[in-house]
Amino acid sequence: DVKVTQSSRYLVKRTGEKVFLECVQDMDHENMFWYRQDPGLGLRLIYFSYDVKMKEKGDIPEGYSVSREKKERFSLILESASTNQTSMYLCASSLLASGTGELFFGEGSRLTVL
Amino acid sequence: KQEVTQIPAALSVPEGENLVLNCSFTDSAIYNLQWFRQDPGKGLTSLLLIQSSQREQTSGRLNASLDKSSGRSTLYIAASQPGDSATYLCAEMRGTYKYIFGTGTRLKVLA
Repeated sequence: DVKVTQSSRYLVKRTGEKVFLECVQDMDHENMFWYRQDPGLGLRLIYFSYDVKMKEKGDIPEGYSVSREKKERFSLILESASTNQTSMYLCASSLLASGTGELFFGEGSRLTVL
Repeated sequence: KQEVTQIPAALSVPEGENLVLNCSFTDSAIYNLQWFRQDPGKGLTSLLLIQSSQREQTSGRLNASLDKSSGRSTLYIAASQPGDSATYLCAEMRGTYKYIFGTGTRLKVLA
């Protein structure tokens, strides 16, 4: 079974802090994604990566950056956390070579910025 | 505007009922359609994926269908159980990296 692991389930940070959210997948997937999920707004794509060191902006990249130094790991970085970044963050991965593009998600990271 | 709509937004049924969740999409050039389950405070769990060349997929008590011409997918849950209570989301894959998610149907199955 595919496993996508998000390192932190719950985080509480202060405004202005730098925040790292880590995601690791164990199935050699090329594609990795970061979404945020908010009530009434659904899932919105922040960034995705289709290969090591490659990244593309999603729909709401402002205030975020990402890093993919190894194929299995995709990190989301909040350079200076703000209260409007309080949200559920979801990491996902997919294997395009399989032909289906099936998405697999981690358990989510609930971030609260005070 | 690219949209994926799920109706109803919420549903409450007694245990044992068969039920249908609906997902409508606007782009007939769909690559695949994936159904997920999400429990409160958790991530999304993949239930079924239907590729554009397929009409339906089945897993246990779940059956998902895809009708590209009408822009609809349905998730059929047979003999519902309280453990089926969750939010169900559909997602349309429109390109290599583009997934459009519906806003979900919150299902409550009453014992």
